Amino acid sequence: KAGVTQTPRYLIKTRGQQVTLSCSPISGHRSVSWYQQTPGQGLQFLFEYFSETQRNKGNFPGRFSGRQFSNSRSEMNVSTLELGDSALYLCASRPLGSPTQNEQFFGPGTRLTVL
Amino acid sequence: GQQLNQSPQSMFIQEGEDVSMNCTSSSIFNTWLWYKQDPGEGPVLLIALYKAGELTSNGRLTAQFGITRKDSFLNISASIPSDVGIYFCAGPEYRDDKIIFGKGTRLHILP
Repeated sequence: KAGVTQTPRYLIKTRGQQVTLSCSPISGHRSVSWYQQTPGQGLQFLFEYFSETQRNKGNFPGRFSGRQFSNSRSEMNVSTLELGDSALYLCASRPLGSPTQNEQFFGPGTRLTVL
Repeated sequence: GQQLNQSPQSMFIQEGEDVSMNCTSSSIFNTWLWYKQDPGEGPVLLIALYKAGELTSNGRLTAQFGITRKDSFLNISASIPSDVGIYFCAGPEYRDDKIIFGKGTRLHILP
């Protein structure tokens, strides 16, 4: 089985721009979660999608949004980028509804740099 | 929400030494997860624990689900250079089931 894939791996943007990141989960996993990882804050939960619906949401401003498609692929969007948005953005999928539903698997991440 | 506290924050050890780290919470978790992250990569799931008192091994790694359900421990025996990285504990929040993470234990191995 292929793992979680994320594109692009690296991105450089300037303040005020917007960005869209993409994630394809493990085949059969219908839950996709997004995390922001910075050196000082660790892994911060952004949101989780399941069957095209947002299931959980973290404490991030409305500039951070996401969506999930019928094939379980997910995108997250950050609008009006700020310097503080520079981070590694990680996507993870898990088999919600199965006995191992809490076993979450991560992609390699997208490194976003905002200049 | 619930929080996970990991200690130590970082460790410097000699190759061949055994390593112990732990994760605690003020509230109960029903599942404990341990991950390792290498620089520039996503975290990799090492061990999942589902029952209080459970002891599970994965090669040289052994993790335990604390009997109070508020803590978990990870041990690495006979450390080798590729063990270097950040180890995270994680678990699903009771209220809404989202997976939250501790801030990690960074393991350094001295030559």
